[in-house]
Amino acid sequence: NAGVTQTPKFQVLKTGQSMTLQCAQDMNHEYMSWYRQDPGMGLRLIHYSVGAGITDQGEVPNGYNVSRSTTEDFPLRLLSAAPSQTSVYFCATVGLGNTIYFGEGSWLTVV
Amino acid sequence: RKEVEQDPGPFNVPEGATVAFNCTYSNSASQSFFWYRQDCRKEPKLLMSVYSSGNEDGRFTAQLNRASQYISLLIRDSKLSDSATYLCVVNPGTASKLTFGTGTRLQVML
Repeated sequence: NAGVTQTPKFQVLKTGQSMTLQCAQDMNHEYMSWYRQDPGMGLRLIHYSVGAGITDQGEVPNGYNVSRSTTEDFPLRLLSAAPSQTSVYFCATVGLGNTIYFGEGSWLTVV
Repeated sequence: RKEVEQDPGPFNVPEGATVAFNCTYSNSASQSFFWYRQDCRKEPKLLMSVYSSGNEDGRFTAQLNRASQYISLLIRDSKLSDSATYLCVVNPGTASKLTFGTGTRLQVML
């Protein structure tokens, strides 16, 4: 009953470092996405995928890359971390009835 | 105007109180609506979908007013465990266009 699993839960990066947030789902959902949540701004879409091999940009894609080689996995890469990327990141899938299933979140601090 | 707007609160209410939140949306073509609950330092979780005729789940009632473009959530007999942030989510038809409100914080007190 894993649902959406994302790692790591907490990470501190130095400016300029790169890292990958992992996301895996076991619900066979075609749609997967990454959001960031900042105080007073709600959840904003970074990138999304409608199936293996297909990705597209969301509202705030700059500084992030994604790939979708399998239905299960949708990693998010920070290419060169900046303090503005300090945020909480959620991976999410969408299932029947447009219900959204979120991972537990990744708290990222860039210093 | 933001696509989805919510009063951020906090709403501080005593146990047993009835509290209502509203959420307004700007896209009249929006097709589906949801309320999510988010506890501190946790992920949002589905509380309930909002149907055109209104719907109830125990102490929670959701309403949709398409003419005025808002949805509401009513919580009766508030419990301490209802303390959380409630997010309004609007779907104009495609998952990539899902729009989230910034959330309304509820604090239920003894």
